[in-house]
This record gives sequence, structure tokens and C-alpha cells, in this order.
Amino acid sequence: QLQLQESAPGLVKPSETLSLTCTVSGGSISDNTYNWGYIRQPPGKGLEWIGGIFYSGTSVYNPSLRSRVTMSVDTSKNQFSLKVRSVTAADTAVYYCARQMWLRFLDVWGKGTTVTVSS
Amino acid sequence: SYELTQPPSVSVSPGQTASITCSGDKLGNNYVCWYQQKPGQSPVLVIYQDSMRPSGIPERFSGSNSGNTASLTISGTQPVDEADYYCQTWDNSTVFGGGTRLTVL
Repeated sequence: QLQLQESAPGLVKPSETLSLTCTVSGGSISDNTYNWGYIRQPPGKGLEWIGGIFYSGTSVYNPSLRSRVTMSVDTSKNQFSLKVRSVTAADTAVYYCARQMWLRFLDVWGKGTTVTVSS
Repeated sequence: SYELTQPPSVSVSPGQTASITCSGDKLGNNYVCWYQQKPGQSPVLVIYQDSMRPSGIPERFSGSNSGNTASLTISGTQPVDEADYYCQTWDNSTVFGGGTRLTVL
């Protein structure tokens, strides 16, 4: 069945760029029924949608993060990626990738990866 | 930006019905979905398109959405249902509610 796996460095320094990659297995990232999304959850807090990207490369971002976020897709590797620039401690969170049905519901989630921003 | 409001916590006795609300301006005009998240685990979709259950989700989970309020109802609540629940909709961006901690005691 479809599985998603996040990969990222566990520790990022303030002001640097956080980079994450999500690898999709058991299905094709080129399925145009879906887009692919990133969601984060700061420690002890709720969920925040970061953005979503279609296999064509079209992306949509959370307005509150749009100025610092870029997503990309690599269909040859069945992967999609996220970059968050100029990180601060407020970007410390568990980051999830997920499959999203046309920017609506998120039906398959990765296990999540913890990213800490600290010097 | 659009906001969804959930009660921080709801308590229910085993076997009883739990109801979790999610409020937003004209929310009934948009589809709502619900996620269950247990400690240390990824969220799991339990309701989509207001009232649809994904495969594998027990029938005791149901949803509705009208006016300014969506609701997740768990009938015959079991101890295994104790978790955080998040509502979510779309309004130019995917938006989550703040989450509700369901306690079964």
C-alpha cells in the first residue's frame, strides 16, 4: 500500500534553511487525483498545513509561511521536497508529509520527522 | 485568514456518545474532515467530505456539517478512542482547527 517517508536533518541552526524530502512508495507521485503536502506540529501544539504541490510542479502555500517556503517535486525519484528559509526556534516541530486529495483531505500520512532549530 | 474553533477538551464515559464541534464562518459551505491523533503517532483521517468514513474506520464515527458548525460524533465511545481530534477545511488554504482532547473515563 502507499507509504510516505520523511527525511531531514534533525538539527538546523537559526537563520539557515531547513530541507526535507518525502519519498513515496507503493504508488506514483504522478497520480493527478492528488497533490502532496507538508504539515507540521510544534511540540505540544496543533497541526499547521505548510503547503501542497501537484506532480506538475504547481504549488500552493499557507499564506503565513509563503514568503519563506518553497516546495518541489521529482517525479523520476517519486519524491517531493520542502525548503523553509531563515528558520527560528518557532520552526521547531514534527514535520509530516502526506497525500492530499486536491487540496482537501489528507488521507495517507508519513510517520513524521522531528526538526529542532537551535544553535 | 479563515479560522476553525474547537473546544480544547471533551470528556465522555465509555459506551456513551461523544460529540466534538468545529466552528467557522459559513463552515457549512465547505467540506470538513476530521483526524484522530494518538500520542506519538501520525494523524489518521476518520471523516472526510463532512460525513464519509474511509475504509477501516469504525461505523461509530460519524460527521455532519451545517451553518457555522461541523460535528464529529462517536457513538458507543471506547477507551481506544481517547485521542486528539482535529477538524480541517479548505479556504484558499488548508486550515486546521486547534484540536480537541477527548478523554474517555
